[in-house]
Amino acid sequence: RKEVEQDPGPFNVPEGATVAFNCTYSNSASQSFFWYRQDCRKEPKLLMSVYSSGNEDGRFTAQLNRASQYISLLIRDSKLSDSATYLCVGTYNFNKFYFGSGTKLNVKP
Amino acid sequence: SQTIHQWPATLVQPVGSPLSLECTVEGTSNPNLYWYRQAAGRGLQLLFYSIGIDQISSEVPQNLSASRPQDRQFILSSKKLLLSDSGFYLCAWSVTDSRFGYTFGSGTRLTVV
Repeated sequence: RKEVEQDPGPFNVPEGATVAFNCTYSNSASQSFFWYRQDCRKEPKLLMSVYSSGNEDGRFTAQLNRASQYISLLIRDSKLSDSATYLCVGTYNFNKFYFGSGTKLNVKP
Repeated sequence: SQTIHQWPATLVQPVGSPLSLECTVEGTSNPNLYWYRQAAGRGLQLLFYSIGIDQISSEVPQNLSASRPQDRQFILSSKKLLLSDSGFYLCAWSVTDSRFGYTFGSGTRLTVV
């Protein structure tokens, strides 16, 4: 079983739509969680950390549910530039980061 | 500020040839260093990580090895490449506190022919 699992998509949404991704993790001892964004043929870049209390950064909101072992990312008012693959990440011993396979988002005009 | 450099950006190598990819970090001391591979259309697979000079841990058995001869230098090597070694190789660094996430280098796209 993979440490971190997420729906590969693609999610095809119109501009201005709200879209949500979920990600589940298997290790209840996971310490930290993140969402990364990866553009085609580029390196992943940190989008935001995920805290138990939930956190928001502009149009992006991340939530962590430790009881059910999942994290979520909500994108409001989608822009064409949001089109990318979104990777969820959990950390374990010695700061090893385990990545999900990514969820592809296509925002259409 | 901290920066991470990875090279080369693209590499085409024949089967059976050796490999050396280099990664260096500037602006920080004693970083955690990582090598990941991303096969086409797949997720990121952790290959090696290092918490200090000459301290390397391997995540999966494979045709590759890693070394850390200096604090901010991480090298990925192979003596004989296989076709299955093709992929996008990414180096990353982090501070020891995992709450701050990773920063990736720009990656090396390796094609073994």
